[in-house]
Amino acid sequence: NAGVTQTPKFQVLKTGQSMTLQCAQDMNHEYMSWYRQDPGMGLRLIHYSVGAGITDQGEVPNGYNVSRSTTEDFPLRLLSAAPSQTSVYFCASNPAGDGYEQYFGPGTRLTVT
Amino acid sequence: GENVEQHPSTLSVQEGDSAVIKCTYSDSASNYFPWYKQELGKRPQLIIDIRSNVGEKKDQRIAVTLNKTAKHFSLHITETQPEDSAVYFCAAANSGGSNYKLTFGKGTLLTVNP
Repeated sequence: NAGVTQTPKFQVLKTGQSMTLQCAQDMNHEYMSWYRQDPGMGLRLIHYSVGAGITDQGEVPNGYNVSRSTTEDFPLRLLSAAPSQTSVYFCASNPAGDGYEQYFGPGTRLTVT
Repeated sequence: GENVEQHPSTLSVQEGDSAVIKCTYSDSASNYFPWYKQELGKRPQLIIDIRSNVGEKKDQRIAVTLNKTAKHFSLHITETQPEDSAVYFCAAANSGGSNYKLTFGKGTLLTVNP
């Protein structure tokens, strides 16, 4: 099992550019989530999905879109990048049910200039 | 929504001492409380979790306690070692129903000095 994978590892964008952060998991987990991590702010939930075709907003959804067409993939789209979106992005997955561990991907470090 | 406060933000201890990190939560419906450890440049990894029907859980040198009435839970690390140095995050979730989302605290940077 590869677990949760994310691409790219690093990315530099100019303000206004768009891009997609990729996330995939091979553990057949129903739930997937995107977090951003900023210094002193912990991990903040951007969007999450409880199954294919179902997504919902987290704490900081503005400027990001997601879709979940398959169980395995959960891409995060930045529509028009802003410097405030400079962050480390983590994707995570876990089985449905009562309090299962979230497995995190290795992260994507994004810089918007 | 849920709000999780975590203290202290930084903690420095001598090797062999104990370390305690405390968290409070606001949503009385929260019933699942995991702790994650994140080493520098790495992804967060679960180290221990507790559910609301349990008051305390231990795993070797780490333990977590939960006080539902006061809405706070704590991580205890005994006999600290340099490899315990990392950022620790508490989190809370209501794992019932069809939704599952974790709300994290802001983290505690633990430094264990040899």
